[in-house]
Amino acid sequence: GAGVSQSPSNKVTEKGKDVELRCDPISGHTALYWYRQSLGQGLEFLIYFQGNSAPDKSGLPSDRFSAERTGGSVSTLTIQRTQQEDSAVYLCASSSRQEQETQYFGPGTRLLVL
Amino acid sequence: SQKIEQNSEALNIQEGKTATLTCNYTNYSPAYLQWYRQDPGRGPVFLLLIRENEKEKRKERLKVTFDTTLKQSLFHITASQPADSATYLCALEFAGNMLTFGGGTRLMVKP
Repeated sequence: GAGVSQSPSNKVTEKGKDVELRCDPISGHTALYWYRQSLGQGLEFLIYFQGNSAPDKSGLPSDRFSAERTGGSVSTLTIQRTQQEDSAVYLCASSSRQEQETQYFGPGTRLLVL
Repeated sequence: SQKIEQNSEALNIQEGKTATLTCNYTNYSPAYLQWYRQDPGRGPVFLLLIRENEKEKRKERLKVTFDTTLKQSLFHITASQPADSATYLCALEFAGNMLTFGGGTRLMVKP
């Protein structure tokens, strides 16, 4: 079956612009995670959605970052007024209710803020 | 504060040898620990999970150990192959099904 997909694969934007990154999780997966990975670094947790529960936003680095998940499926991560330090790879992962501990990752969106 | 350490220097080994990667952590008591593989330009791929009450877990050429007293996990690849070259990430559970990741260790297997 199809894995987690993310779009766009690459995004170049100017400082101060807003960007939207999209994640399509594996069909039927109830949990969805967003991470950020800077060059040569580990993954930094951003936000977690589980079913219809309120999301865990504890990892969002500032109020310029927000995310939503519509219909319990597709998620959009929005970064407002982008800064150069927002440049990173943004990874999305999903997991199923039956296998909650295993996260399946998408290929990521490479964001470059000029 | 909570901290996960993986050797940031690349590990270079000869094909056929056993690769051993280390993950150390402080100020955690994870219910489980996972190892992921990440290739350049790709997202991480799940390899193995080991729980706090397990000492060792094997899958084909992979072996993971988990010492909750030392707060350390070792990840072994036996009979290594050039195709095993990648970055390997250690991840610890916290707050339910959330994961926190180490910085990863890059493995290079030379033919």
